Amino acid sequence: AQSVTQLGSHVSVSEGALVLLRCNYSSSVPPYLFWYVQYPNQGLQLLLKYTSAATLVKGINGFEAEFKKSETSFHLTKPSAHMSDAAEYFCAVSVHAGGTSYGKLTFGQGTILTVHP
Amino acid sequence: EAGVAQSPRYKIIEKRQSVAFWCNPISGHATLYWYQQILGQGPKLLIQFQNNGVVDDSQLPKDRFSAERLKGVDSTLKIQPAKLEDSAVYLCASRTIRRDIQYFGAGTRLSVL
Repeated sequence: AQSVTQLGSHVSVSEGALVLLRCNYSSSVPPYLFWYVQYPNQGLQLLLKYTSAATLVKGINGFEAEFKKSETSFHLTKPSAHMSDAAEYFCAVSVHAGGTSYGKLTFGQGTILTVHP
Repeated sequence: EAGVAQSPRYKIIEKRQSVAFWCNPISGHATLYWYQQILGQGPKLLIQFQNNGVVDDSQLPKDRFSAERLKGVDSTLKIQPAKLEDSAVYLCASRTIRRDIQYFGAGTRLSVL
């Protein structure tokens, strides 16, 4: 079974500051990892994904994440926050090793990012 | 391409009433998922379809929840009877077999009073 822990349910940064959202995972098989963003009253939009290729993954809107197997982490970063980045962010893990739950996403609890002017 | 369509966007019912949600996935996507997202939590998978067959419904409260995807395209999720704790956003997502990305609809926000 797999699980995801997002450290910090709320993160607040100033505009232009570094954004760091933490995610740790647990998986019995090599995982696929995802970051999704959810704006108010909208569905989830994929930011980036890790699928066993390059460990540093670049996504949309200037976000990137690094897969660290030794630390079982997949933290999301952005060098300079923008007001439009304010949203809720979800880290998720999926299994792609066959079986009936192929592709099933297990989500973390989410982190609400607030950006101050 | 058109995204995942869900309706209605909002629904308010009283406990013990029934309710149904509809989802039309992206054209050609064989895999369809229903998730429940309770306020302050991440989405939790309720049921997964591959074409019109159920792949995983281990987290679906089968005494009150049911779902179908009769022709392998659109899907309906039903709750009967609803409880207060069913208040949540119900998200539908779809994926092709070849790709590992799930695309989400805007969701249906259910309030049970």
